This record gives sequence, C-alpha cells and structure tokens, in this order.
Amino acid sequence: AQSVTQLGSHVSVSEGALVLLRCNYSSSVPPYLFWYVQYPNQGLQLLLKYTTGATLVKGINGFEAEFKKSETSFHLTKPSAHMSDAAEYFCAVKPSPGGYQKVTFGTGTKLQVIP
Amino acid sequence: NAGVTQTPKFRILKIGQSMTLQCTQDMNHNYMYWYRQDPGMGLKLIYYSVGAGITDKGEVPNGYNVSRSTTEDFPLRLELAAPSQTSVYFCASRQREGEETQYFGPGTRLLVL
Repeated sequence: AQSVTQLGSHVSVSEGALVLLRCNYSSSVPPYLFWYVQYPNQGLQLLLKYTTGATLVKGINGFEAEFKKSETSFHLTKPSAHMSDAAEYFCAVKPSPGGYQKVTFGTGTKLQVIP
Repeated sequence: NAGVTQTPKFRILKIGQSMTLQCTQDMNHNYMYWYRQDPGMGLKLIYYSVGAGITDKGEVPNGYNVSRSTTEDFPLRLELAAPSQTSVYFCASRQREGEETQYFGPGTRLLVL
C-alpha cells in the first residue's frame, strides 16, 4: 500500500520569497514520485518527477524537489515565488516500475502568492 | 497535437439521468485513466485502461462504466446519476510502460441535482 501526505492545504508566500511545499510518502517498495500543478479551471500538468538516479530533481518554472529516502519526503521548493506560481500543487507516488501500478495523489496544497 | 480533450466542459444532470463523458487523446498513448476530483480529497482513480479492449477498476468504480474500443477514445458512462457523483472528472493518458508522465485533459464539471 502507498500513501501521500501533503502538509498544509493552503500556503501563502510573498512574491520573491522561498516556496516550500511539503510532501511525505509511504510505500512498501521503492517509489516513483511526482509533483503536478493545477492552474484554475485546468487539468494537472507535470512539474517534475523522480524515478531513479539523482535525488535532486529539477522541473519546469524553476521548481525543484529532493527525494530523501531516510525522511520519506519529496518536498517541492522554488527560491523566489512569482505571481504566476499561484496554483494548486499535488504530490503523487507510484510503486516500483512496472505495468499499470496506479498513482496515488495527495490532497493538494493551494499556493497563494501575495504581491 | 491537441493532447487530451474532454467534452462536455460542464453539465447539470438530474438524479437518475444518464450521460457519457467523452475523452479523446491524439498522442497514440496506450494507457488511459479516469479520475474524479473532490475538494480537499485529491484525485481518485475511477477506471483505467492499458490498451484497446482492456479496462479495469480503480479505487472508486461504483456507479460508472467504461469502454475502450479504440486507442484514442475512453468514454466514461454514468448510468443512474446520484448527487454523490457531483465532481470534476479528469481524463488522463500515459504513453507506455516506462514512461511515467500522465497528460491530463481540462476536465468536465458535473453537477447532479
């Protein structure tokens, strides 16, 4: 079984400030990990993913996340928030590769960027 | 490429009515998925398909049916609409085994009254 916990359903940051969105997962096997972003009235879009290799993963729009196995975490960061980053962010986990293992999504974190 | 398209964008149904949510992808992806999104609940998998003619249940399949007669299309059928099916429905596709990115459609907002 696998699960994802996103700490904080709403996060507010000032424009230019650090963005930190927290994600912890549980998985009985090595996981694949994802961050998706959802802008208002749109579908989800992949920001970044960790499958194998380097634990620090860079994504689109200046976001990055680090896979920390010892902490079972995959927190999303961006050094400087922009107004266009306001959206809902979903962390997701999938068991080890193979076939049609399903992806489990977290409940989402809404990011508000204050001018 | 249009990617993943969904119709309609919005629909109001009366309790007991039926409808089909359409999903089409033009990327020749093997895998397709239907999710529902409820406020504060994330996305829940309803049904998925690994190729034409092959479908399987996800976490919350009750009240829904699917078919996959072609690679491109993956319609979701609601037979007897209930208020609990009020939600936003997303279709997604994934290329193949080993390619993990899912591509999502813009969603269908359904209100059952």
